[in-house]
Amino acid sequence: QSALTQPASVSGSPGQSITISCTGTGSDVGGYNYVSWYQQHPGKAPKLMIYEVTTRPSGVSDRFSGSKSGNTASLTISGLQAEDEADYYCSSYTNSTTLYVVFGGGTKVTVL
Amino acid sequence: EVQLVESGGGLVQPGGSLRLSCAASGFTFSGFEMNWVRQAPGKGLEWVSYISNMGSTIYYADSVKGRFTISRDNAKNSLYLQMNSLRADDTGVYHCARDFMGTGFDYWGQGILVTVSS
Repeated sequence: QSALTQPASVSGSPGQSITISCTGTGSDVGGYNYVSWYQQHPGKAPKLMIYEVTTRPSGVSDRFSGSKSGNTASLTISGLQAEDEADYYCSSYTNSTTLYVVFGGGTKVTVL
Repeated sequence: EVQLVESGGGLVQPGGSLRLSCAASGFTFSGFEMNWVRQAPGKGLEWVSYISNMGSTIYYADSVKGRFTISRDNAKNSLYLQMNSLRADDTGVYHCARDFMGTGFDYWGQGILVTVSS
């Protein structure tokens, strides 16, 4: 069972915006601004898309944006493109004594 | 260019051992914390272990504590994961990942497949 809760799938048409949620607790998402998001295409390594809740690494399209409210973080993809079809994972630092970082279960984004 | 290349995976019987390696290049390896993250077939990402840049601080997920040992050799720009008492649920692709100031993992290796089966 994943520590962070994400929807299994989200879909949208090209050009639309979609939002993926990531729900944790006060011990992880809600307690720290260390939420990151990863994109993973089939058979490929994950790619960092967002870190520290809202910051995009150099080279990541500004169509990707992150936010957080309470124990829930969100990733929004605007102007959806075919190349955005992939799995997306959130993660957060945690103060749990048994974990350092926790991941969400992943969300499959489908471009219709 | 930052590169992380894993090796050492393969097929092993339950109860067996494997040692994974991750060769780093394109950055000052001794300046960065590192992690191992795994992914079971068709499943999501699972953080496995963390090591600080000089190796003085180490963390493990409960699922591998007592069985896996993370280490590094900064002189060889290499990260390791010694895996003992392997179980079927350890099967998956193992990635090494560079820690970006504790805020995320900014570079990942392609991963190496570990299959635990009789």
